[in-house]
Amino acid sequence: DTAVSQTPKYLVTQMGNDKSIKCEQNLGHDTMYWYKQDSKKFLKIMFSYNNKELIINETVPNRFSPKSPDKAHLNLHINSLELGDSAVYFCASSHLAGRSYNEQFFGPGTRLTVL
Amino acid sequence: QKEVEQNSGPLSVPEGAIASLNCTYSDRVSQSFFWYRQYSGKSPELIMSIYSNGDKEDGRFTAQLNKASQYVSLLIRDSQPSDSATYLCAGMDSSYKLIFGSGTRLLVRP
Repeated sequence: DTAVSQTPKYLVTQMGNDKSIKCEQNLGHDTMYWYKQDSKKFLKIMFSYNNKELIINETVPNRFSPKSPDKAHLNLHINSLELGDSAVYFCASSHLAGRSYNEQFFGPGTRLTVL
Repeated sequence: QKEVEQNSGPLSVPEGAIASLNCTYSDRVSQSFFWYRQYSGKSPELIMSIYSNGDKEDGRFTAQLNKASQYVSLLIRDSQPSDSATYLCAGMDSSYKLIFGSGTRLLVRP
């Protein structure tokens, strides 16, 4: 199936731990994104990579570090997890970064719960 | 003013009716617009995109864009209970970032 996939689907961890979320797309897109959806369902962009180059870096704590080993993969590493990091994290991908008609397709999400 | 504003709802319509979902946006968000559907516990699913003034139809869905009024809408004809979901309006800003509204919850009553 052509899609955007993420692992894990659920992540429950203690405050202070370090965790990673992985994302892969087989749609042939050149741009990938990380979004955070909080408890009020507000969806906000965090980062974007185009062909392994960081192009969007929103005001996000530097405990969050994205890494893109190739244009089909974008991982998110989070250090020293805090309670406020609990949210659903969505990966997305698109063609045509820097174009007004770039349609973004979302992965299934990773629900992170920090205890 | 929020960059993309939506009424949180719920908007309740009977099965078979037309559901009308609305979204307004600020000057910062002006490039293009997208409607996503999100079922509870699922990811956003793109259902329509619109880039120029006027109407765009796809099956039971029609997106309308009025740049003078800074207004985007989504009409769902012959609403079905399976259309019950949260509908997210998103606009693209000048740096090509998608800015999302907080979503409108639609309930279609059988």
